Amino acid sequence: DSGVTQTPKHLITATGQRVTLRCSPRSGDLSVYWYQQSLDQGLQFLIHYYNGEERAKGNILERFSAQQFPDLHSELNLSSLELGDSALYFCASSVAPITGGMREKLFFGSGTQLSVL
Amino acid sequence: DQQVKQNSPSLSVQEGRISILNCDYTNSMFDYFLWYKKYPAEGPTFLISISSIKDKNEDGRFTVFLNKSAKHLSLHIVPSQPGDSAVYFCAASVLKDMRFGAGTRLTVKP
Repeated sequence: DSGVTQTPKHLITATGQRVTLRCSPRSGDLSVYWYQQSLDQGLQFLIHYYNGEERAKGNILERFSAQQFPDLHSELNLSSLELGDSALYFCASSVAPITGGMREKLFFGSGTQLSVL
Repeated sequence: DQQVKQNSPSLSVQEGRISILNCDYTNSMFDYFLWYKKYPAEGPTFLISISSIKDKNEDGRFTVFLNKSAKHLSLHIVPSQPGDSAVYFCAASVLKDMRFGAGTRLTVKP
C-alpha cells in the first residue's frame, strides 16, 4: 500500500460527459502529480501541484483541469469526454523540496480506469 | 513526443538467469533516472534510481547502468525470480519534468 488513495477505481461514462477523479496523497506529502496511461503507452505526465499551487504542466488537454485543495487532496476534472480519453489515470505524491524539482521518487495510487463509451 | 523509449514491449527469462531491460532517451538535459515496477491492478512502485553523475547504482539484485554518451540506461536483475514478473517503466527527469517510457513486461518462468 503506497498510501495514495484514488477514487473511484473504475468509471464508465459517455462521450460529452464530465467526470472528476479524486486523489488523496500520502500523509505529509505536499506534491501531487497526475499521469495518464493509454493502451500501450507510457505514463504521460499531465500536471503537478505543490502545496496548492500548480508547479508544472505536461501534455494536458484544455478540456482537462486539476486543482489541489487546502487539505492537499487533488481532483482531476475531465470534460467533453471523447473516446480517446479512455485510459488509466494515476495520481502520485511525493515530499517535494522547496524547489519543486522532480528528483524525488513518486508514490503512486492504484489508478482510476476511465472508459468512455 | 517520446523522449524516453523502451523498445522492447516484453521480455521472457528463465528463473535464476539475468534479466536486462533497456531504455533510451533523447533529451540530454535529463539528469536523474528511475525505474518503477508495476503489478496488475496496482500503481507503479519505485525500484531504483541513478543520478547522471554516476554510471552504476546497485541495490541487492537490481543494478542500473547509465551510459550518458549513448543516452541509454539499463536495469539488470540477477538472479531473476518469478516474483519479478511485472511491467517495468523507466523514467527520466530534469527539474520539474519527469517522462516515462511505455514499459517492458517481464515474465520470469520457473
